[in-house]
Amino acid sequence: SQQGEEDPQALSIQEGENATMNCSYKTSINNLQWYRQNSGRGLVHLILIRSNEREKHSGRLRVTLDTSKKSSSLLITASRAADTASYFCATEGGSNYKLTFGKGTLLTVNP
Amino acid sequence: DSGVTQTPKHLITATGQRVTLRCSPRSGDLSVYWYQQSLDQGLQFLIQYYNGEERAKGNILERFSAQQFPDLHSELNLSSLELGDSALYFCASSESPLGQWGETQYFGPGTRLLVL
Repeated sequence: SQQGEEDPQALSIQEGENATMNCSYKTSINNLQWYRQNSGRGLVHLILIRSNEREKHSGRLRVTLDTSKKSSSLLITASRAADTASYFCATEGGSNYKLTFGKGTLLTVNP
Repeated sequence: DSGVTQTPKHLITATGQRVTLRCSPRSGDLSVYWYQQSLDQGLQFLIQYYNGEERAKGNILERFSAQQFPDLHSELNLSSLELGDSALYFCASSESPLGQWGETQYFGPGTRLLVL
């Protein structure tokens, strides 16, 4: 079963706009990661946020984590057509030593 | 390029057959992970190895097995294949095993399996 659940399932925006994707999860976690997947290709790691962190930045990416609400958000600022991809959140919790992925948000950035 | 290689890229086979997927991790990475990605199930963790030893198991069927060899490459064996096994199979690697502080996983390009 999926631990993380992304929202929305699909998002279409214009180049230059900001894109926000949300992830909710059910059980306590040690860390949460965001990955990007271009159509049919391997996943690329974007950012990792630990359970004791609230916000992290990496270039045009900003990730927040609210453990009380069991949710995270990924903000991509000033989006580009090349940002078109599926974005997945993945949670790692307890001592089960595995990442559990959500079903992803398909982001389309129109030029 | 993540540095993780997977072969073959595509595989077409028939129901009931057995196939082997191969993965070479990034240089220096000791952990290997296998995932299955399908439209209905999404990305499912199958199994993890660390330095030759099985470390964690996910939703891996009994018909599936894997191993990690002394040179750290890994193979995923799928047997008695069914139509529903058609999916993208990804291998990922990381320097250390997953732990409390998290590890970035580097994904290979995947093997697309089609069972007819």
